[in-house]
Amino acid sequence: EAGVVQSPRYKIIEKKQPVAFWCNPISGHNTLYWYRQNLGQGPELLIRYENEEAVDDSQLPKDRFSAERLKGVDSTLKIQPAELGDSAVYLCASSPHNPAPSQIFGPGTRLTVL
Amino acid sequence: AQKITQTQPGMFVQEKEAVTLDCTYDTSDPSYGLFWYKQPSSGEMIFLIYQGSYDQQNATEGRYSLNFQKARKSANLVISASQLGDSAMYFCAMRSDRGSTLGRLYFGRGTQLTVWP
Repeated sequence: EAGVVQSPRYKIIEKKQPVAFWCNPISGHNTLYWYRQNLGQGPELLIRYENEEAVDDSQLPKDRFSAERLKGVDSTLKIQPAELGDSAVYLCASSPHNPAPSQIFGPGTRLTVL
Repeated sequence: AQKITQTQPGMFVQEKEAVTLDCTYDTSDPSYGLFWYKQPSSGEMIFLIYQGSYDQQNATEGRYSLNFQKARKSANLVISASQLGDSAMYFCAMRSDRGSTLGRLYFGRGTQLTVWP
């Protein structure tokens, strides 16, 4: 089966510009997660979706970050405006249900803000 | 608060030898899950092994085994017969089974494993 798909793989933008990341989870996976991984650290959860509902978004900086999963399948994470500190790898993961004995991660999007 | 501690920033092992990567966790929840992921230099997070807090036996997946000591709150990863391709960053993670944070993974800072010939 196809894995979690993310695009783009790399993105370089100037500060104050908007940016969007896209994720397509494994088919049939109802739960979708967005994590952010800063350099030298482990990932941290930004938001979790159960189907189309955001059920854990307490760590999403809502002043500049937004996310959607309109039809309960693919998802978009947006930053507007980007700041220098947003430079990180943005990882999408999915699982068939929650809780699950595994979360399968996509390849990530490496964002560099200049 | 949920916390994962990986005290070994780097580990070195010779090919074909076994290596143990340490992980301790802190939680007051009765139910949780423990994971290990591998992250090569290419950046993807590869799921290796899972242990549920109520599982009686240690999990094994091929050359990977998880040494789960609940009373000590440790979940060490053992890699047997190391291969050059095992060189990567390894992350320990704990899944929260609590309320609104159900399913959230808390990660340690990782251990960089280097396998030498």
